[in-house]
Amino acid sequence: GESVGLHLPTLSVQEGDNSIINCAYSNSASDYFIWYKQESGKGPQFIIDIRSNMDKRQGQRVTVLLNKTVKHLSLQIAATQPGDSAVYFCAYQGNGNQFYFGTGTSLTVIP
Amino acid sequence: DVKVTQSSRYLVKRTGEKVFLECVQDMDHENMFWYRQDPGLGLRLIYFSYDVKMKEKGDIPEGYSVSREKKERFSLILESASTNQTSMYLCASSLIGQPNTEAFFGQGTRLTVV
Repeated sequence: GESVGLHLPTLSVQEGDNSIINCAYSNSASDYFIWYKQESGKGPQFIIDIRSNMDKRQGQRVTVLLNKTVKHLSLQIAATQPGDSAVYFCAYQGNGNQFYFGTGTSLTVIP
Repeated sequence: DVKVTQSSRYLVKRTGEKVFLECVQDMDHENMFWYRQDPGLGLRLIYFSYDVKMKEKGDIPEGYSVSREKKERFSLILESASTNQTSMYLCASSLIGQPNTEAFFGQGTRLTVV
Protein backbone atom coordinates (compact mmCIF):
# COMPACT_ATOMS: atom_id res chain seq x y z
CA GLY A 1 0.00 0.00 0.00
CA GLU A 2 0.93 3.63 -0.07
CA SER A 3 2.98 5.05 2.76
CA VAL A 4 4.72 8.23 3.59
CA GLY A 5 6.96 8.30 6.60
CA LEU A 6 8.73 10.89 8.65
CA HIS A 7 12.15 10.23 10.11
CA LEU A 8 11.49 12.11 13.36
CA PRO A 9 8.19 12.96 15.02
CA THR A 10 9.61 16.02 16.84
CA LEU A 11 12.36 18.52 16.16
CA SER A 12 13.62 21.38 18.32
CA VAL A 13 15.88 24.10 16.95
CA GLN A 14 17.30 27.36 18.21
CA GLU A 15 15.91 30.52 16.73
CA GLY A 16 18.11 31.55 13.83
CA ASP A 17 19.37 28.05 13.08
CA ASN A 18 18.43 26.09 9.99
CA SER A 19 15.86 23.28 10.24
CA ILE A 20 15.76 20.12 8.18
CA ILE A 21 12.69 17.91 8.14
CA ASN A 22 12.88 14.60 6.32
CA CYS A 23 10.34 12.35 4.68
CA ALA A 24 10.45 8.97 2.94
CA TYR A 25 7.86 7.76 0.46
CA SER A 26 7.13 4.38 -1.03
CA ASN A 27 5.45 5.01 -4.38
CA SER A 28 8.11 5.40 -7.04
CA ALA A 29 5.47 6.40 -9.60
CA SER A 30 4.53 9.59 -7.80
CA ASP A 31 5.47 12.73 -9.67
CA TYR A 32 4.28 15.51 -7.41
CA PHE A 33 5.29 16.27 -3.83
CA ILE A 34 4.16 18.92 -1.38
CA TRP A 35 5.10 20.24 2.03
CA TYR A 36 2.38 21.56 4.32
CA LYS A 37 2.57 23.51 7.58
CA GLN A 38 -0.14 23.13 10.19
CA GLU A 39 -0.35 25.56 13.08
CA SER A 40 -2.31 24.69 16.17
CA GLY A 41 -6.06 24.80 15.59
CA LYS A 42 -5.76 25.40 11.85
CA GLY A 43 -5.90 23.37 8.68
CA PRO A 44 -2.70 22.52 6.78
CA GLN A 45 -1.30 25.28 4.62
CA PHE A 46 0.76 24.83 1.48
CA ILE A 47 4.43 25.75 1.80
CA ILE A 48 6.17 24.51 -1.32
CA ASP A 49 5.89 21.81 -3.95
CA ILE A 50 8.22 19.99 -6.31
CA ARG A 51 7.70 17.84 -9.36
CA SER A 52 9.62 14.67 -10.08
CA ASN A 53 11.55 16.24 -12.94
CA MET A 54 13.34 18.45 -10.41
CA ASP A 55 15.62 17.67 -7.48
CA LYS A 56 15.57 21.05 -5.77
CA ARG A 57 13.22 23.98 -5.47
CA GLN A 58 13.56 27.13 -3.42
CA GLY A 59 11.02 29.46 -1.95
CA GLN A 60 11.25 32.21 0.58
CA ARG A 61 13.47 30.77 3.36
CA VAL A 62 12.44 27.24 2.38
CA THR A 63 14.05 24.68 0.11
CA VAL A 64 12.71 21.29 -0.86
CA LEU A 65 15.06 18.53 -1.99
CA LEU A 66 13.89 15.42 -3.79
CA ASN A 67 15.99 12.28 -4.14
CA LYS A 68 14.06 9.89 -6.32
CA THR A 69 16.74 7.22 -6.16
CA VAL A 70 16.18 6.64 -2.45
CA LYS A 71 12.63 8.04 -2.41
CA HIS A 72 13.44 10.77 0.04
CA LEU A 73 12.12 14.29 0.40
CA SER A 74 13.36 17.01 2.72
CA LEU A 75 12.32 20.50 3.74
CA GLN A 76 14.95 22.98 4.79
CA ILE A 77 13.96 26.15 6.63
CA ALA A 78 16.61 28.84 6.81
CA ALA A 79 17.00 31.10 9.85
CA THR A 80 14.16 29.44 11.71
CA GLN A 81 11.83 31.84 13.50
CA PRO A 82 9.34 31.33 16.35
CA GLY A 83 6.52 31.63 13.83
CA ASP A 84 7.84 28.50 12.12
CA SER A 85 6.78 26.38 15.11
CA ALA A 86 4.15 24.02 13.72
CA VAL A 87 3.61 20.49 12.47
CA TYR A 88 5.02 19.86 9.01
CA PHE A 89 3.61 17.23 6.67
CA CYS A 90 4.99 15.89 3.45
CA ALA A 91 2.50 14.66 0.91
CA TYR A 92 2.49 13.19 -2.55
CA GLN A 93 -0.17 12.72 -5.13
CA GLY A 94 -0.94 9.14 -6.02
CA ASN A 95 -3.23 7.57 -8.56
CA GLY A 96 -6.65 9.10 -9.04
CA ASN A 97 -5.65 12.52 -7.72
CA GLN A 98 -5.49 11.33 -4.12
CA PHE A 99 -3.00 12.93 -1.77
CA TYR A 100 -1.09 10.77 0.70
CA PHE A 101 0.29 12.37 3.84
CA GLY A 102 3.02 11.55 6.29
CA THR A 103 2.38 11.48 10.03
CA GLY A 104 3.96 14.88 10.55
CA THR A 105 6.96 16.36 12.34
CA SER A 106 6.38 18.82 15.15
CA LEU A 107 8.91 21.65 14.94
CA THR A 108 9.57 23.71 18.06
CA VAL A 109 11.68 26.84 17.80
CA ILE A 110 13.50 27.78 20.97
CA PRO A 111 13.92 31.55 21.40
CA ASP B 1 -7.42 33.27 -2.72
CA VAL B 2 -8.92 29.81 -2.61
CA LYS B 3 -11.24 29.40 0.26
CA VAL B 4 -12.40 26.11 1.72
CA THR B 5 -14.94 26.61 4.46
CA GLN B 6 -16.13 24.01 6.92
CA SER B 7 -19.44 24.75 8.56
CA SER B 8 -18.35 24.19 12.16
CA ARG B 9 -15.09 24.52 14.10
CA TYR B 10 -16.30 22.44 17.05
CA LEU B 11 -19.10 19.91 17.40
CA VAL B 12 -20.23 17.74 20.27
CA LYS B 13 -22.61 14.91 19.41
CA ARG B 14 -24.07 11.95 21.21
CA THR B 15 -23.43 8.32 20.36
CA GLY B 16 -25.87 7.12 17.75
CA GLU B 17 -26.67 10.54 16.33
CA LYS B 18 -26.49 11.19 12.60
CA VAL B 19 -23.89 13.88 12.01
CA PHE B 20 -23.40 16.09 8.97
CA LEU B 21 -20.14 17.91 8.30
CA GLU B 22 -20.37 20.44 5.51
CA CYS B 23 -17.61 21.81 3.29
CA VAL B 24 -17.79 24.48 0.61
CA GLN B 25 -15.06 25.65 -1.76
CA ASP B 26 -15.20 28.72 -3.95
CA MET B 27 -12.63 28.00 -6.66
CA ASP B 28 -14.51 25.62 -8.92
CA HIS B 29 -12.25 22.71 -8.00
CA GLU B 30 -13.22 19.30 -9.31
CA ASN B 31 -11.64 17.27 -6.50
CA MET B 32 -12.85 17.37 -2.93
CA PHE B 33 -11.60 15.29 -0.02
CA TRP B 34 -12.47 14.40 3.55
CA TYR B 35 -9.68 13.43 5.94
CA ARG B 36 -9.58 12.70 9.60
CA GLN B 37 -6.55 13.62 11.64
CA ASP B 38 -5.54 11.78 14.80
CA PRO B 39 -2.35 12.13 16.87
CA GLY B 40 0.43 9.94 15.54
CA LEU B 41 -1.59 8.82 12.53
CA GLY B 42 -1.40 11.87 10.32
CA LEU B 43 -4.15 12.58 7.80
CA ARG B 44 -6.14 9.59 6.65
CA LEU B 45 -8.42 9.80 3.65
CA ILE B 46 -12.05 8.90 4.29
CA TYR B 47 -13.66 9.68 0.92
CA PHE B 48 -13.00 11.83 -2.07
CA SER B 49 -14.97 13.04 -5.03
CA TYR B 50 -13.75 14.09 -8.47
CA ASP B 51 -17.08 15.29 -9.83
CA VAL B 52 -20.66 16.00 -8.85
CA LYS B 53 -22.41 12.86 -7.65
CA MET B 54 -19.17 10.89 -7.92
CA LYS B 55 -17.41 9.46 -4.89
CA GLU B 56 -14.54 7.13 -4.15
CA LYS B 57 -13.65 5.39 -0.92
CA GLY B 58 -10.44 6.34 0.73
CA ASP B 59 -8.50 4.35 3.29
CA ILE B 60 -11.02 4.45 6.15
CA PRO B 61 -14.58 4.80 4.77
CA GLU B 62 -16.28 2.52 7.31
CA GLY B 63 -18.94 4.34 9.31
CA TYR B 64 -19.01 7.30 6.92
CA SER B 65 -20.80 8.32 3.76
CA VAL B 66 -20.57 11.40 1.57
CA SER B 67 -22.73 13.50 -0.67
CA ARG B 68 -21.79 15.78 -3.53
CA GLU B 69 -24.88 17.25 -5.12
CA LYS B 70 -23.17 20.47 -6.22
CA LYS B 71 -19.63 21.03 -7.37
CA GLU B 72 -18.77 23.44 -4.57
CA ARG B 73 -20.18 21.39 -1.69
CA PHE B 74 -19.01 18.08 -0.22
CA SER B 75 -20.71 16.68 2.84
CA LEU B 76 -19.45 14.01 5.20
CA ILE B 77 -22.09 11.99 7.02
CA LEU B 78 -21.64 9.88 10.10
CA GLU B 79 -24.64 7.59 9.94
CA SER B 80 -24.52 6.66 13.62
CA ALA B 81 -21.79 8.46 15.50
CA SER B 82 -19.54 6.45 17.76
CA THR B 83 -16.91 7.52 20.26
CA ASN B 84 -14.10 6.22 18.04
CA GLN B 85 -15.11 8.85 15.49
CA THR B 86 -14.01 11.61 17.84
CA SER B 87 -11.38 13.35 15.75
CA MET B 88 -10.37 16.39 13.75
CA TYR B 89 -11.99 16.34 10.33
CA LEU B 90 -10.40 18.20 7.45
CA CYS B 91 -11.93 19.00 4.10
CA ALA B 92 -9.77 19.84 1.08
CA SER B 93 -10.17 20.62 -2.60
CA SER B 94 -7.92 20.63 -5.63
CA LEU B 95 -7.95 20.92 -9.39
CA ILE B 96 -7.83 17.91 -11.66
CA GLY B 97 -5.28 17.59 -14.40
CA GLN B 98 -1.82 18.66 -15.33
CA PRO B 99 0.16 20.30 -14.07
CA ASN B 100 -0.60 19.00 -10.60
CA THR B 101 -1.63 21.52 -8.01
CA GLU B 102 -1.81 21.33 -4.29
CA ALA B 103 -4.84 20.59 -2.15
CA PHE B 104 -6.32 23.51 -0.23
CA PHE B 105 -7.64 22.80 3.24
CA GLY B 106 -10.41 24.13 5.41
CA GLN B 107 -9.81 25.08 9.03
CA GLY B 108 -11.01 21.74 10.35
CA THR B 109 -13.92 20.55 12.47
CA ARG B 110 -13.12 19.05 15.84
CA LEU B 111 -15.84 16.51 16.53
CA THR B 112 -16.35 15.00 19.94
CA VAL B 113 -18.75 12.07 20.29
CA VAL B 114 -19.92 11.46 23.85
